[in-house]
Amino acid sequence: GQNIDQPTEMTATEGAIVQINCTYQTSGFNGLFWYQQHAGEAPTFLSYNVLDGLEEKGRFSSFLSRSKGYSYLLLKELQMKDSASYLCAAMDSNYQLIWGAGTKLIIKP
Amino acid sequence: GAVVSQHPSRVICKSGTSVKIECRSLDFQATTMFWYRQFPKKSLMLMATSNEGSKATYEQGVEKDKFLINHASLTLSTLTVTSAHPEDSSFYICSATSGDSRETQYFGPGTRLLVL
Repeated sequence: GQNIDQPTEMTATEGAIVQINCTYQTSGFNGLFWYQQHAGEAPTFLSYNVLDGLEEKGRFSSFLSRSKGYSYLLLKELQMKDSASYLCAAMDSNYQLIWGAGTKLIIKP
Repeated sequence: GAVVSQHPSRVICKSGTSVKIECRSLDFQATTMFWYRQFPKKSLMLMATSNEGSKATYEQGVEKDKFLINHASLTLSTLTVTSAHPEDSSFYICSATSGDSRETQYFGPGTRLLVL
């Protein structure tokens, strides 16, 4: 079957770095998305990876290894506003999105 | 875990016709369901929020007569695109929560609509 796994919750300190991992199993693969979602708000697009490697966008970077079915989202210089849920979603060969349950990131001063 | 399904997964229709998309929560009661549209740059735009048994709340700029939403039961919400036009072609995604909008949302796989 198709599946996405990511940790349920993580805690980190303001100013530090945190890595949120995501592993996926899909029928075919057409890319992996990361979204940020604050409680009560719509998800915000962070990144899309379809080729192996690291893509950096400011304080956020996303990495993909297709052979390992693995991705991570790296957040640097954490700020309190980064407290949110981070959703990982893989697109299968039918262009359907398989969603992870989200990782709740708690930032402490 | 909570599962949300959508049907159909993809649909092609002629301009001027109406298309209905279903969103179902398979193993929980969805008090609130959300409908999103994914744009080419991958961003998700919230179209509307629906609560079971009441009228949907539409976001600014979304035509409620164009995008009809019905949340008739705690496990089913439907989005009907009326008189569809090519510019309505998009990827429509629903999500559901057992609580209010501040609770964890579980997302459906999406429905790809192509209007010719």
